Amino acid sequence: EAGVAQSPRYKIIEKRQSVAFWCNPISGHATLYWYQQILGQGPKLLIQFQNNGVVDDSQLPKDRFSAERLKGVDSTLKIQPAKLEDSAVYLCASSLVIAGGITDTQYFGPGTRLTVL
Amino acid sequence: AQSVAQPEDQVNVAEGNPLTVKCTYSVSGNPYLFWYVQYPNRGLQFLLKYITGDNLVKGSYGFEAEFNKSQTSFHLKKPSALVSDSALYFCAVRPPYSGAGSYQLTFGKGTKLSVIP
Repeated sequence: EAGVAQSPRYKIIEKRQSVAFWCNPISGHATLYWYQQILGQGPKLLIQFQNNGVVDDSQLPKDRFSAERLKGVDSTLKIQPAKLEDSAVYLCASSLVIAGGITDTQYFGPGTRLTVL
Repeated sequence: AQSVAQPEDQVNVAEGNPLTVKCTYSVSGNPYLFWYVQYPNRGLQFLLKYITGDNLVKGSYGFEAEFNKSQTSFHLKKPSALVSDSALYFCAVRPPYSGAGSYQLTFGKGTKLSVIP
């Protein structure tokens, strides 16, 4: 079974530029998550989708971050404009939905390492 | 609000010796607990989870974890460490299910395990 795919693996941009990350979840996983992992910290949830709807975006800095999952499969996370403090690894994860909308174990992709200069 | 504490930034153990990576948590209700491992430049890899039942949970690669409700702990263990076990280990918690919605996974800051040959 293929895992969660992410691209690019690495990205270097200057502050105030824009950047986009792509994620393809495990086939059949209805729930998709984007996490931000700053060096030396655990991952922090940015946004959770179930199919193409947003379940939780309470920690997404909406003035500069946006995410979409238009067809309920692939997802894109965008930062515009980027700040120095956005330097981090951006992880995508997916999980199955069990009966009643309950989500199962999350499986993670390899991440995109973003460096903002 | 839920939280996870991993009190040790780094754990060093000799190859062949038993290892323990500590985790304590705080959550309302019965917790769902997870351990993930992260190798350099890789995403998080699921090791094991506790939902309910036996307090000793067995996972991948010979790892196991012991749930202790009275001490609110979920320590990761392995009887005999391998050099290849050297990595960053994350404990995570989520609240119990009470209907469909967001059940945010909260991570600890991670513990770096170094197994010395």
